[in-house]
Amino acid sequence: NAGVTQTPKFQVLKTGQSMTLQCAQDMNHEYMSWYRQDPGMGLRLIHYSVGAGITDQGEVPNGYNVSRSTTEDFPLRLLSAAPSQTSVYFCASSRDRAIYGYTFGSGTRLTVV
Amino acid sequence: AQKVTQAQTEISVVEKEDVTLDCVYETRDTTYYLFWYKQPPSGELVFLIRRNSFDEQNEISGRYSWNFQKSTSSFNFTITASQVVDSAVYFCALSDPGAAGNKLTFGGGTRVLVKP
Repeated sequence: NAGVTQTPKFQVLKTGQSMTLQCAQDMNHEYMSWYRQDPGMGLRLIHYSVGAGITDQGEVPNGYNVSRSTTEDFPLRLLSAAPSQTSVYFCASSRDRAIYGYTFGSGTRLTVV
Repeated sequence: AQKVTQAQTEISVVEKEDVTLDCVYETRDTTYYLFWYKQPPSGELVFLIRRNSFDEQNEISGRYSWNFQKSTSSFNFTITASQVVDSAVYFCALSDPGAAGNKLTFGGGTRVLVKP
């Protein structure tokens, strides 16, 4: 019972590099999201998806792209990394609507130098 | 717009003391859900409780209890007889069924340090 799996757990990038954070869930959840966690700010929504083929922007989408080709996978792409993107990233999935809350992945700690 | 405020950024207690974490929320919706998550030093987010806006009963789960007061828009969390393993960051979060993408709005978190 894997739940939500994120890779990698840690990553260091140079400014301007691109990379993809992977997220996969095995619970057949329709809703998936990416959040970033910064000190004192809680978690903020980057992008979300309500099903395969459907994505939309959250609060802080600039500099990130997402796609949802399957129900299971929801990768987050950093197009040209900037130091302001240094953060901890969490992927989450939800069965249906808000009432069930979210299951979170274990997080990816990203440092951009 | 939804907003969650956790005014206490850090609380330090000695083991076996009780600790109460405050959470105040703002929403225009009449139907909404409130959550508490725990983030231990290992970094993962652990779901603790979900409460809907129509259920104002307080809840107790072991040493944890929650006090939901709609009149003051608060959803406070108490740890009774704290233990070192309770040391973590605790987040309060709010969502409504109509929120785009099931968005959870998080408070800034309260770091709890339980000293032996």
